[in-house]
Amino acid sequence: QVQLVQSGGGVVQPGRSLSLSCTASGLAFSSHAMNWVRQSPDKGLEWVASITYDGSNYFHADSVKGRFTVSRDNSLNTLFLHMRSLRPEDTAVYYCTTLDTLGTTDDYWGQGTLVTISS
Amino acid sequence: DVEMTQFPLSLSVTLGQPASISCRSSQSLVYSDGNTYLNWFLQRPGQPPRRLIYKVSNRDSGVPGRFSGSGSGTDFTLKISRVEAEDVGVYYCLQGTHWPPEFGQGTKVEI
Repeated sequence: QVQLVQSGGGVVQPGRSLSLSCTASGLAFSSHAMNWVRQSPDKGLEWVASITYDGSNYFHADSVKGRFTVSRDNSLNTLFLHMRSLRPEDTAVYYCTTLDTLGTTDDYWGQGTLVTISS
Repeated sequence: DVEMTQFPLSLSVTLGQPASISCRSSQSLVYSDGNTYLNWFLQRPGQPPRRLIYKVSNRDSGVPGRFSGSGSGTDFTLKISRVEAEDVGVYYCLQGTHWPPEFGQGTKVEI
């Protein structure tokens, strides 16, 4: 049974930093590209970042570019999202997911973690 | 970026009756390899989204046969042949043809 277990999140002040992690089990983690997707009432579901299976390439949405960094440690089966210079509009539930948009594999999602940016 | 527009945004359905959700993209979703990377997701209350359909019309493992996807180019439809209580939630389309991936704004289905 595949599980993506997320940790991190919470309430932080604008301008501060926060990191999220997502640990996979039951999945050939090192064979999968991984993604972060966030969901807020204002913007709905929004793709945030992607990283290739081996971590050699990564991509970020324009809305977070230069502030967020996706990374992974395949030896720990763990995906990370390092967020800095946080803004109120970054408030959302963040999901880690395989987000297989091409239909080449099964699609898996973490349980989500709430990030609230507020003074 | 490609814009994905869903309609209706809210749908009240009757158990056992059919339901249909539309999704329109601002650009054709036909990729250079000939495939169309349009997906449908269902998000039940309090849960993460779950993919139901990939490449327009292919059901994911475990997805009931009452769900079907169709369409081409820029216009796509998700149909539920006979709505069941467990189908309540928000349905999203997602395009994977163009970078970055884009979700529709969601269609809330309630009984």
